Amino acid sequence: EPEVTQTPSHQVTQMGQEVILRCVPISNHLYFYWYRQILGQKVEFLVSFYNNEISEKSEIFDDQFSVERPDGSNFTLKIRSTKLEDSAMYFCASSESLGRSYEQYFGPGTRLTVT
Amino acid sequence: GIQVEQSPPDLILQEGANSTLRCNFSDSVNNLQWFHQNPWGQLINLFYIPSGTKQNGRLSATTVATERYSLLYISSSQTTDSGVYFCAVGLLLTGGGNKLTFGTGTQLKVEL
Repeated sequence: EPEVTQTPSHQVTQMGQEVILRCVPISNHLYFYWYRQILGQKVEFLVSFYNNEISEKSEIFDDQFSVERPDGSNFTLKIRSTKLEDSAMYFCASSESLGRSYEQYFGPGTRLTVT
Repeated sequence: GIQVEQSPPDLILQEGANSTLRCNFSDSVNNLQWFHQNPWGQLINLFYIPSGTKQNGRLSATTVATERYSLLYISSSQTTDSGVYFCAVGLLLTGGGNKLTFGTGTQLKVEL
């Protein structure tokens, strides 16, 4: 069964460093998302991406964050200058749509630790 | 923004028991999903259920969109059911896609 994959599973970085989190969505899906979950809290929406553009972003997704689909398979989240409060689990998700279903499928997550 | 509340926040069951988890939301939504977050942190899809009732093995879910709630039923619980159960409501985006807003979850522990 197709699944969303994410790399790395865990990343440790120093405050102020840039990180890139990578995702490979399900191949025939059209919509891509990033969410994050701070330890012990609920999952929060960051950004949605469709047709090579951001379709919606949350207040959390400030100028430090960017997303890109550099090729036909990868979808990345970049944090330019990490802060301690960026420590969280980051989930990538994708959905097919075409008017039938907007069910989102999540990857296993990347745990980001900023020291 | 839309508010999503789940109850109970914590639940301890003996193996074999049944339970009902509830999700209330504050406004109309386009769709709804239930997830199980396992001890490794993975979000496992349980149901995509904008309305009506679905069943999958020991689990079933019902969404009454007009009354703004959804229920997840777990029957004959097993220790592997332990984890956090999240409800997430979806709103379609004008630019494309669907934004999920998650509830705070129900932490379930199933004991022998």
